[in-house]
Amino acid sequence: DAKTTQPPSMDCAEGRAANLPCNHSTISGNEYVYWYRQIHSQGPQYIIHGLKNNETNEMASLIITEDRKSSTLILPHATLRDTAVYYCIVREILAGNQFYFGTGTSLTVIP
Amino acid sequence: DGGITQSPKYLFRKEGQNVTLSCEQNLNHDAMYWYRQDPGQGLRLIYYSQIVNDFQKGDIAEGYSVSREKKESFPLTVTSAQKNPTAFYLCASSITQRGTDTQYFGPGTRLTVL
Repeated sequence: DAKTTQPPSMDCAEGRAANLPCNHSTISGNEYVYWYRQIHSQGPQYIIHGLKNNETNEMASLIITEDRKSSTLILPHATLRDTAVYYCIVREILAGNQFYFGTGTSLTVIP
Repeated sequence: DGGITQSPKYLFRKEGQNVTLSCEQNLNHDAMYWYRQDPGQGLRLIYYSQIVNDFQKGDIAEGYSVSREKKESFPLTVTSAQKNPTAFYLCASSITQRGTDTQYFGPGTRLTVL
């Protein structure tokens, strides 16, 4: 079962930062936070993951609160191609099997 | 060009026929996975394989079969025993990085059973 809570939908103006929140209040010490996105009718795309420190890559930044009970994915300059469903997933280290995808947040970038 | 390929993108079959979905990866990943996605829902794990010649059932394995004879290939057969086979099927493979394993997905195959 998904261990995360995300808003069902969000809008963001093109060129602005998109901040997508995720609550994971029952996260345990050996669980990572992963973010994926899925554009309609395509396979999910890996974005970023982290344990407790903030992370940044060429796609996004991941901010994890100090108590690790919530996180925010930041797309610094949203474009129309960022319109997708974004999934926040918590998962044990080297769980070896699946990622539990919930229903995610449907982000619409508005021109 | 490295990646995961699934073919075909769209597949139509008559009820009662078995059908095999292809998944190939040239990423040298050890583990591979099959998921099913229904409209408006998350992904559900069908089967996964950590190494060649070994695989385990996921949450919804009934009516499906797999094989893992080569590291690069993990075909999924949807049998006539699967009661509701129409769905979007996703294949993934994984690599261990920074102490945890990240899964990468193929483009998917949309199966419609008529």
